[in-house]
Amino acid sequence: NAGVMQNPRHLVRRRGQEARLRCSPMKGHSHVYWYRQLPEEGLKFMVYLQKENIIDESGMPKERFSAEFPKEGPSILRIQQVVRGDSAAYFCASSSGGDWAYEQYFGPGTRLTVT
Amino acid sequence: QKEVEQDPGPLSVPEGAIVSLNCTYSNSAFQYFMWYRQYSRKGPELLMYTYSSGNKEDGRFTAQVDKSSKYISLFIRDSQPSDSATYLCAMISNAGGTSYGKLTFGQGTILTVHP
Repeated sequence: NAGVMQNPRHLVRRRGQEARLRCSPMKGHSHVYWYRQLPEEGLKFMVYLQKENIIDESGMPKERFSAEFPKEGPSILRIQQVVRGDSAAYFCASSSGGDWAYEQYFGPGTRLTVT
Repeated sequence: QKEVEQDPGPLSVPEGAIVSLNCTYSNSAFQYFMWYRQYSRKGPELLMYTYSSGNKEDGRFTAQVDKSSKYISLFIRDSQPSDSATYLCAMISNAGGTSYGKLTFGQGTILTVHP
């Protein structure tokens, strides 16, 4: 399967714990985007990364959230000290970037539940 | 005011009907316009994209963009029960810079096609 892969698909965390969400882009893609979908809301952009670089993090909450896309391995979205309001579906997308940045393909998502 | 407005529906139509889905937007910098389909508890699937104004057809789907009115549409002909899903419009600016990778989504329209 050459599509975007995300794991875990479901993640349950207690308040105060850390959540780590992983994303492997589509083969041949080096640009990764994270979006969050809250209940009853549309998809909201969080962060845009290339290998070893954060290009745009204008949608990331200022505290507790961080993202990385190392030279080797998947992109990671990290949420520290989770709160109930962090419960949502987190989607990763990838593209070839540049003139093809509009053509983003999404993974199946990670559904985070904070208890 | 949201940058992209989309009527959440729900929209219910009989099989074989022509479906019209619409979005309006306020940011004149948007240049690429996409439609995604999202089945329940799945990731968004890219259906079509259009650059600037005009029409684009792909099988039973037709996308229209009217930049002068800041209005985009997706038409589905001969709708099928398998078309039942949430349809999301998305837009992106090609103004360059760090915002280039950011998709801005509408809230999504829930469509049900009943046999």
